[in-house]
Order: sequence, then C-alpha cells, then structure tokens
Amino acid sequence: DMKVTQMPRYLIKRMGENVLLECGQDMSHETMYWYRQDPGLGLQLIYISYDVDSNSEGDIPKGYRVSRKKREHFSLILDSAKTNQTSVYFCASSWDRGLNNQAPLFGEGTRLSVL
Amino acid sequence: GDSVTQKEGLVTLTEGLPVMLNCTYQTIYSNAFLFWYVHYLNESPRLLLKSSTDNKRTEHQGFHATLHKSSSSFHLQKSSAQLSDSALYYCALSSTGYQNFYFGKGTSLTVIP
Repeated sequence: DMKVTQMPRYLIKRMGENVLLECGQDMSHETMYWYRQDPGLGLQLIYISYDVDSNSEGDIPKGYRVSRKKREHFSLILDSAKTNQTSVYFCASSWDRGLNNQAPLFGEGTRLSVL
Repeated sequence: GDSVTQKEGLVTLTEGLPVMLNCTYQTIYSNAFLFWYVHYLNESPRLLLKSSTDNKRTEHQGFHATLHKSSSSFHLQKSSAQLSDSALYYCALSSTGYQNFYFGKGTSLTVIP
C-alpha cells in the first residue's frame, strides 16, 4: 500500500525545546520533501532530499535541519523551537528525479504548536 | 526562479455554478509540468490533475484544466460546483527534472447551497 506516514500527528512543545518530526514511506521513493503550511502562504518547501545524505535547502530552511540515513525515512528537526514555527508540517515523497516529474505523494501532516 | 501565482485566496460559490480557479506560472525552462492538488481538511493534499502538454485538456473527477504555455496558465475548471468540492486547491510547477516542486499559495474554495 503506497503511503507516506508522519509521526506524531499532533505535538505541543514549549519554546526552546527540541522537536523531531518523522516521516516514512514504503515505496522506495528517492526524493522526499518537508513542507510547512500556513494560512495565506500555502505550502512552503523547507528541505528536499534526493536520497540518503543528499539534502538540499528549500525556500525556508532557517531554523530547521533534516536527516536522511535510510531511503525510506526522512526526519525534520527543530533545534530550540520558536513560537513562529507553530504550523502544520507535511512530508511528501516522489519517484526518481526526471521521471515524468512524478507528483509528490503527501502524508497526513503533523500539527505542531510551540507555546 | 520558478514561481506559481494563484490570484484568488478565497472563492465562494453557490452550488451549481461553474468553477474557475486561476493559476499562472513563471519558469525559464521549456519543460514545464503543472499540477493541481486538492486538500480537504484533516486529510493529505492529493493530486487532482497534471499536464505537460501544451493546449491539451486534462480531466479528472469532473475537473479539467488546459496548459497554455503561450500565456503560462493552467486554470482549473468545473462546469457545476458541488458542496463536496469545498477544499483548498493548490497549483504546482515542476520544470527542472530535479523534482523541485513549487506550490502556489492556494485557493480556498467554499461552495454554499
């Protein structure tokens, strides 16, 4: 079953705490993404990963870092979370680069509140 | 760089009326792939339509769109809105082959009885 799984689905943290958002996919997709979604701003790309240990900054990488040690797993880390990082975070994955530009498949999102 | 513009942030329609959500894009590459995603509340955004062929209409689930490279547009249309069409709609662009997807800011469609 083709699926992108995000954990946790809901998370509340205090300002200054570290946050780990996890994403897994069972399709051996090379490319994985992290987006955040905010009202009026749409889906903004934080990081893109082309494969294990091959990560690239997106449009809003500041305050975030990522880790991809296995092809099926992509983590988003917030070191010392800030209140303006309260958002809904989406992970997505897609097939090999250049293969008819396959559309990303999205997870269900993680709703993060930083108090 | 590449970008996508969705002019309308909020659209409210009466059931039965036609739907048209605007999408224009900018890219320096000739191989533009355009996508529409639909995002229902508490679900994953999912692909609705995609196209890379100039002037060819693509259809799915009652929605259709035609990529016009001359005007850099990929507007989403439906002949008759249904209450269940209420959702957030994103237009997206990919053009480099490196799987960088650029999303517009989204259009929130609300269909009322």
